[in-house]
Amino acid sequence: AQSVTQPDIHITVSEGASLELRCNYSYGATPYLFWYVQSPGQGLQLLLKYFSGDTLVQGIKGFEAEFKRSQSSFNLRKPSVHWSDAAEYFCAVGPISGGYQKVTFGTGTKLQVIP
Amino acid sequence: DAGVIQSPRHEVTEMGQEVTLRCKPISGHNSLFWYRQTMMRGLELLIYFNNNVPIDDSGMPEDRFSAKMPNASFSTLKIQPSEPRDSAVYFCASSLARLAGGSNTGELFFGEGSRLTVL
Repeated sequence: AQSVTQPDIHITVSEGASLELRCNYSYGATPYLFWYVQSPGQGLQLLLKYFSGDTLVQGIKGFEAEFKRSQSSFNLRKPSVHWSDAAEYFCAVGPISGGYQKVTFGTGTKLQVIP
Repeated sequence: DAGVIQSPRHEVTEMGQEVTLRCKPISGHNSLFWYRQTMMRGLELLIYFNNNVPIDDSGMPEDRFSAKMPNASFSTLKIQPSEPRDSAVYFCASSLARLAGGSNTGELFFGEGSRLTVL
């Protein structure tokens, strides 16, 4: 069964500092991996996704993530955090082939940005 | 384009009452998902439809929960009777599933959620 682990429940960073949010997955085949962001009172919005090819993927809002098969990881990074990045971030894994799109989400990492 | 539209945004009800949550997916999308979000359990997939047909309902907690998709533009999630432990935010999401030879972004588009409180 597919699963996602986000080991950090809550992270606090200073504005302007770099950010790395960790994600480890378990999946029996080549995974499809996603990062979503949720602002308070809102639904989730896709930041970026990895299907194949270049293991470093760029997303919206200056985020990037690197797929490392050997470590079963898909960590999210941003070089310089802005106060508006404060939100909850979800890593997800899922098959989307053959029309079947069951996506499993991690438990989320809540990001706090301090001045 | 309008996104995924959910109603009501907030619902407060008493234990034992019937609750119906509604969802209008993005036009042209052929997959629809109902998720439940709680502090304790995070985001749980309840049920997934493809072309209006339920594909996977293994996440539906129990018989008190039911979901329908009578057409491509409307879905409901019903809880009858409701219990306090059903209190959560319920999200609907839609996407365009991969078809043979077609394209697929894999992106789920979420509504803003329905916050349910059962007293």
